[in-house]
Amino acid sequence: GAGVSQTPSNKVTEKGKYVELRCDPISGHTALYWYRQSLGQGPEFLIYFQGTGAADDSGLPNDRFFAVRPEGSVSTLKIQRTERGDSAVYLCASSSTGGRAFFGPGTRLTVL
Amino acid sequence: KNEVEQSPQNLTAQEGEFITINCSYSVGISALHWLQQHPGGGIVSLFMLSSGKKKHGRLIATINIQEKHSSLHITASHPRDSAVYICAVPPSQGGSEKLVFGKGTKLTVNP
Repeated sequence: GAGVSQTPSNKVTEKGKYVELRCDPISGHTALYWYRQSLGQGPEFLIYFQGTGAADDSGLPNDRFFAVRPEGSVSTLKIQRTERGDSAVYLCASSSTGGRAFFGPGTRLTVL
Repeated sequence: KNEVEQSPQNLTAQEGEFITINCSYSVGISALHWLQQHPGGGIVSLFMLSSGKKKHGRLIATINIQEKHSSLHITASHPRDSAVYICAVPPSQGGSEKLVFGKGTKLTVNP
C-alpha cells in the first residue's frame, strides 16, 4: 500500500524563480494538507483541501504561494518569485474525514 | 489559537533507558497526535489519541484531557529511536485539520 509521496525530494533554485512541489496523497483520502517547516521549528499550516476545494488557505504567507488540487487527488504547491526565506521543508499530509493524518517525506526547498 | 509546549527540547539517553517526552496545550481538543521525524524531514504518525493510553511496541502514549497534557514514553530505548518527536493538536475542540505543532523534542539514544 502506497503512502503519501512527494516530489521532488530536494529542490534547489535561485532567488526569483518559480517552483512547483507535488503531493500524491493516499488513494481515497479526501483531506490534504500542506505544511512548511523551517529549520529548528515545528511544521506550520499552509493550506487544507477537502476534495478539490481549498477549505482553508489562511496559512499561505502571501500571494506568491498558491496550491491546487484539480481532481481531488494530487496537489501542487506553487511558489512564484522565490525568496531565500522560502527555504524550508514542505510537508504534505492526507487523511480520510476525521481520520489520522499520514505525512509524506517532504520536499526540501533551498533558495539560493 | 492553541499553544503547544513540549519538554524537554533536547534529550540524550543511554540505550535501554526509559524515555518520557511531555506535551502541554492550551485549548481543549478532540485528539492529539504524536509524530516522529527522522533526519531528512520525513514525518511518521505514531499515535492519534483522544483519551487514556495507547501502546505500540515499545511506545506508549497517554493523554489527560482535563489537564491538557500528554506524554510519550519509550521503553528499552534503542539508538534507532533517535529522532525528533513532535506533538500536534487541532486549533480547537472539534477541529481535526490545520494542526498546531510543538517545536519537537530531539532525542539521541547512545549505544
